[in-house]
Amino acid sequence: DIVMTQSPDSLAVSLGERATINCKSSQSVLYSSNNRNYLAWYQQKPGQPPKLLISWASTRESGVPDRFSGSGSGTDFTLTISSLQAEDVAVYYCQQYYTTPPITFGQGTRLEIK
Amino acid sequence: QVQLVESGGGLVKPGGSLRLSCAASGFTFSDYYMSWIRQAPGKGLEWVSYISSSGSIIYYADSVKGRLTISRDNAKNSLYLQMNSLRAEDTAVYYCARDFYGSGSYFDSWGQGTLVTVSS
Repeated sequence: DIVMTQSPDSLAVSLGERATINCKSSQSVLYSSNNRNYLAWYQQKPGQPPKLLISWASTRESGVPDRFSGSGSGTDFTLTISSLQAEDVAVYYCQQYYTTPPITFGQGTRLEIK
Repeated sequence: QVQLVESGGGLVKPGGSLRLSCAASGFTFSDYYMSWIRQAPGKGLEWVSYISSSGSIIYYADSVKGRLTISRDNAKNSLYLQMNSLRAEDTAVYYCARDFYGSGSYFDSWGQGTLVTVSS
């Protein structure tokens, strides 16, 4: 199974500042034949289900603000929020879909306002 | 718009059974793989099971294999999870989710979830 490890577990950032969340997979999730990384990012606000933010490591979903961006390849990935807004307070999860089953998620990173 | 509505959760004793349902609308249900994903109180996300669009391909997490059974009725636009031999560690919010790409990929739509509590 591919293990997904996020860092840090929690993060406090000032409004308007950059927030960076890391995700590392135990093996590469880059499929060489199509050069795509099988990695997604989700945002979960309290009392709500997760919401898909980014697929294929860097493709932002429709309606997701452009302050959210995903980067990385192979085993190391980053979710960046360029200018933190109050509504971005949430737990963020990465998920790999390179080798399934099982589908595996990171443990989550809690993002708060400093 | 895509809507997924789970139901059937509740309080059940260890060893008991429960059947969860997920009613889908706003898309062609029979075109998509579907999954159940759970979240224990205060914990992260755990994928439980997925089923192919036709129902012919099914996979489970090791933690639930032999106890939980996923199924679907495309005529009723519904997904199910039969839960038997329940344990305290099965306590969680159970979400149904649409697998956008198929074959166990990423989830572009989620229901609000239904809470299952296993306790004596």
